[in-house]
Amino acid sequence: EPEVTQTPSHQVTQMGQEVILRCVPISNHLYFYWYRQILGQKVEFLVSFYNNEISEKSEIFDDQFSVERPDGSNFTLKIRSTKLEDSAMYFCASSVGPRGPDTQYFGPGTRLTVL
Amino acid sequence: SQKIEQNSEALNIQEGKTATLTCNYTNYSPAYLQWYRQDPGRGPVFLLLIRENEKEKRKERLKVTFDTTLKQSLFHITASQPADSATYLCAGGEGQNFVFGPGTRLSVLP
Repeated sequence: EPEVTQTPSHQVTQMGQEVILRCVPISNHLYFYWYRQILGQKVEFLVSFYNNEISEKSEIFDDQFSVERPDGSNFTLKIRSTKLEDSAMYFCASSVGPRGPDTQYFGPGTRLTVL
Repeated sequence: SQKIEQNSEALNIQEGKTATLTCNYTNYSPAYLQWYRQDPGRGPVFLLLIRENEKEKRKERLKVTFDTTLKQSLFHITASQPADSATYLCAGGEGQNFVFGPGTRLSVLP
């Protein structure tokens, strides 16, 4: 069964450094998402991406964050200058298409630790 | 702001019983609700979706209801098993973006 994959599984970085989290969505899916989950807290929406542009973004997704689909398979989340509070699990998800309610399939996550 | 609440942080039940989890939403009217299972350190796994015009949905031992009057969804697991122990997340959507609840951690005791 096709699945969303994410790399790396764990990323440790120093405060102020840039990180890029990578995702490979399910191949026939058109919508892509990033979520984060701080330890012990709820899953929070960051951004959705469709047709090579951001569809929606939350208040959390400020200028420090950016997303890109650099090729036909990868979807990346970049954090330009990491802060301690960026430490969290980051989940990528994808869904089939833009019409109506749509199930999102989540990847296993990248645990980001900012020191 | 849009909010999804799940009334129990944790729920313990005996194996074989029916687990009932509650999800309430405020300050918006989601067109659909989805339920996910999340195991520790893993991503959410989709279980069921119910639209606002549907009263009930079933899948094997799972059943979900959607009451737009009460602004509530109930999620039932019948004949529960220890393997059902996990955190269950409710998420409400109006389009492609979800608001997640905090989850209910279910423990099924043998």
